[in-house]
Formats: sequence, structure tokens, C-alpha cells
Amino acid sequence: ETGVTQTPRHLVMGMTNKKSLKCEQHLGHNAMYWYKQSAKKPLELMFVYSLEERVENNSVPSRFSPECPNSSHLFLHLHTLQPEDSALYLCASSQDLAYYEQYFGPGTRLTVT
Amino acid sequence: AQKVTQAQTEISVVEKEDVTLDCVYETRDTTYYLFWYKQPPSGELVFLIRRNSFDEQNEISGRYSWNFQKSTSSFNFTITASQVVDSAVYFCALSGQYGNKLVFGAGTILRVKS
Repeated sequence: ETGVTQTPRHLVMGMTNKKSLKCEQHLGHNAMYWYKQSAKKPLELMFVYSLEERVENNSVPSRFSPECPNSSHLFLHLHTLQPEDSALYLCASSQDLAYYEQYFGPGTRLTVT
Repeated sequence: AQKVTQAQTEISVVEKEDVTLDCVYETRDTTYYLFWYKQPPSGELVFLIRRNSFDEQNEISGRYSWNFQKSTSSFNFTITASQVVDSAVYFCALSGQYGNKLVFGAGTILRVKS
């Protein structure tokens, strides 16, 4: 596999479920990001990790919990979500922090019912 | 605060027409970086270009060209002889010298009709 991969590509979950989104980068990068993209809204940065340490947390509700076990993997754990959390969740990586270009995965389309 | 404005919400052109996507930015940093990304219907954002604030040379890559003007805080993107495959959402983004994040514009939807 090359680039940035995300699984699953589509996810439907109820408000009481717990699920996790997975992101893996094969580029040898040091920084990884989670973004949320809702219809008719700008891309929202959620979390930033650099060398496995969280360096940015953009006032994201606690029902979203990130985890970065190593520089190649990033998870987003979801629990007790709301319907307004339905969106496309994009993972990205970059060589280092944001002045380097970011490479994005294909995203996970999340629907909360 | 940093801000990116893409005033054009949606543009429709006919194939082979040239089209320019506008991007205006705001920043107090003296060193900063500007980016363009393409998001086709598949959803994945594709990196197109990065420019730093000290390099005002225009760039051309095939049918794509970029015009960076610090005097007007603009970083416009032109597609020459557009094709249907160019249909996508295009995002302009900005990063400061020490920032941890990219600030994205709202995006411009480009529709190229055959």
C-alpha cells in the first residue's frame, strides 16, 4: 500500500455505538491530522499529532478521542455520537508540521443514525 | 488571525475554456506558505502546489498555472483548456511560519461541461 489509507470507507452507527476510524500512512511522515468535512462547511481541523504527541486539539467534543500509537497509525475513537457528527472524516500526514504539504487519505463517510 | 477567502462558490465552464479560481489570504506572518488542493468526487484531497511567501515567481505545470501576488494577498489558480476531469472542489490553504495547521478556504466547486 502506498500513501495514506483509511478504514472503513463508510460507516453507519447508532448514537449509542462505539466505533473507531483507522488511518495509516506509508510515507515515513512525522505528523498526522484528523479533519472533519461537513456539507457546506469549511474543512475543520480536529487533531494534530507530531511524533506521536498531540500538539493541537481544536475544541473537539470528548465523544471524539484520538490515539496515535506510532508515527504511522492514527485512530479516531467514536462514542455516543450525535446526528450532526455525520460527515466525511479525513486523515492526512505531512513530513513535519503544517508548512509542509499534507497528503490526504480517501476519508471515512460517517453517518450517525 | 489567518484567513483564506475563496469568493467563488461555484464556477461552470464549457470544456476547453480557461478558468481562474481566486484566493485571497490574510496573515500577519512575514513567512507563510500557500497551497492548493483538488478534491474530486471520490473525496480524497490531492495536493497541487505549495509556495512560500518569499517566492513570488509564477508557476506553470502543464495546463495549471498559479499567480502569486503579495501586493494584493492573492494566490490565484488558472486552468487552461479545461477538461471534464478537472471538475472538482478546489481549496486554497495557508500556513504560518510556526503554525501547526493549515487554514483552508471554503472551496470553489468547478464544473466543466462537455
